[in-house]
Amino acid sequence: GENVEQHPSTLSVQEGDSAVIKCTYSDSASNYFPWYKQELGKRPQLIIDIRSNVGEKKDQRIAVTLNKTAKHFSLHITETQPEDSAVYFCAASWTSGAGSYQLTFGKGTKLSVIP
Amino acid sequence: EAGVTQSPTHLIKTRGQQATLRCSPISGHTSVYWYQQALGLGLQFLLWYDEGEERNRGNFPPRFSGRQFPNYSSELNVNALELEDSALYLCASSQLQGKGQYFGPGTRLTVT
Repeated sequence: GENVEQHPSTLSVQEGDSAVIKCTYSDSASNYFPWYKQELGKRPQLIIDIRSNVGEKKDQRIAVTLNKTAKHFSLHITETQPEDSAVYFCAASWTSGAGSYQLTFGKGTKLSVIP
Repeated sequence: EAGVTQSPTHLIKTRGQQATLRCSPISGHTSVYWYQQALGLGLQFLLWYDEGEERNRGNFPPRFSGRQFPNYSSELNVNALELEDSALYLCASSQLQGKGQYFGPGTRLTVT
């Protein structure tokens, strides 16, 4: 089965700096890579995702890059703000053309943005 | 559009009892996934239901079971509760050919 490694487990940055979280996956058939943000006491929320036919995707201050050859993908947050403080989870899955899919999650990164 | 809902919010049981947790997916979503999130830990996959069928289960004992109803809602049953079953149980739903899984608020199960 799929195995997803996520680093670092904790990350502290100054407000306004950038944060980068990296994940590697094991199954070369994986083709869908979402990122979730979980604030304390709340549900995980999908913040951005990328499919394997795309190398990079950006949404305002958040971007995700994918390197299929190396089997790793990264989340980049620029101009961090205190409200970015949360636990971030990466995930990977294989999807069929017309079917649903199952996600394998990394263990999470606790991001703290220091004002 | 209403999100994924779960009930109850909190559930307190004693060791050996049974717990039943419920989930209603987003309208139009046919797949329901259950995850266990123990304190300070990540998301551990429990079960996946689609079109009323169990499609896959994670590395959990058989006392974790569930079902999906014709309206795509789902319930998770945990029999013979153990102290280590105390966790947040999250349900997520997705569409066939969907873009992502969307989570409910979770049920906090405490076993004493």
